[in-house]
Amino acid sequence: DAKTTQPNSMESNEEEPVHLPCNHSTISGTDYIHWYRQLPSQGPEYVIHGLTSNVNNRMASLAIAEDRKSSTLILHRATLRDAAVYYCILRDYGSGYALNFGKGTSLLVTP
Amino acid sequence: DTAVSQTPKYLVTQMGNDKSIKCEQNLGHDTMYWYKQDSKKFLKIMFSYNNKELIINETVPNRFSPKSPDKAHLNLHINSLELGDSAVYFCASSTRSSSGNTIYFGEGSWLTVV
Repeated sequence: DAKTTQPNSMESNEEEPVHLPCNHSTISGTDYIHWYRQLPSQGPEYVIHGLTSNVNNRMASLAIAEDRKSSTLILHRATLRDAAVYYCILRDYGSGYALNFGKGTSLLVTP
Repeated sequence: DTAVSQTPKYLVTQMGNDKSIKCEQNLGHDTMYWYKQDSKKFLKIMFSYNNKELIINETVPNRFSPKSPDKAHLNLHINSLELGDSAVYFCASSTRSSSGNTIYFGEGSWLTVV
């Protein structure tokens, strides 16, 4: 898998938007950008993924740079429940089955 | 109903024992995985099975043996447990999709070897 780089930690106030960056300068044309998060004492859960275009779902938005070398996960209104470790992972469709997790970004949300 | 369920959730055992962790998914997926999360919180893939066949086997001691009796189950058996095996083990499942592999994880099994 191509490597991703994320800040170790970020902090946000409750009810404010959060922008979690991810750099993936060696991304290949077929790599999908996946975001997962892991809440304390739980298994990782899927957040969102995309290939080239920006994506929105009920949990978050994913903004992908035009050159695809970076992306940003956007939580529109952080809640205390969003405090988790967020992982940005590249997956090549059809090249394998497992996700390889990096260190992720630990998001702290304060009231 | 829980999509990916694993048992037991907590397991404390002595060094040298043999133990198993069971995993079941009711999502109709054809691929299942075992991940290990150590004390430093790094999540690493251990094994992956597709349609009951082993497709990924990372550098894991051969004391660890996955067994997949059918597509819905992937159990992890560990022989001669060591202190370093203490970790959280996550089972997961997925199916290959046109947009690339959304993986669903279980809640984890906390293994402590004393």
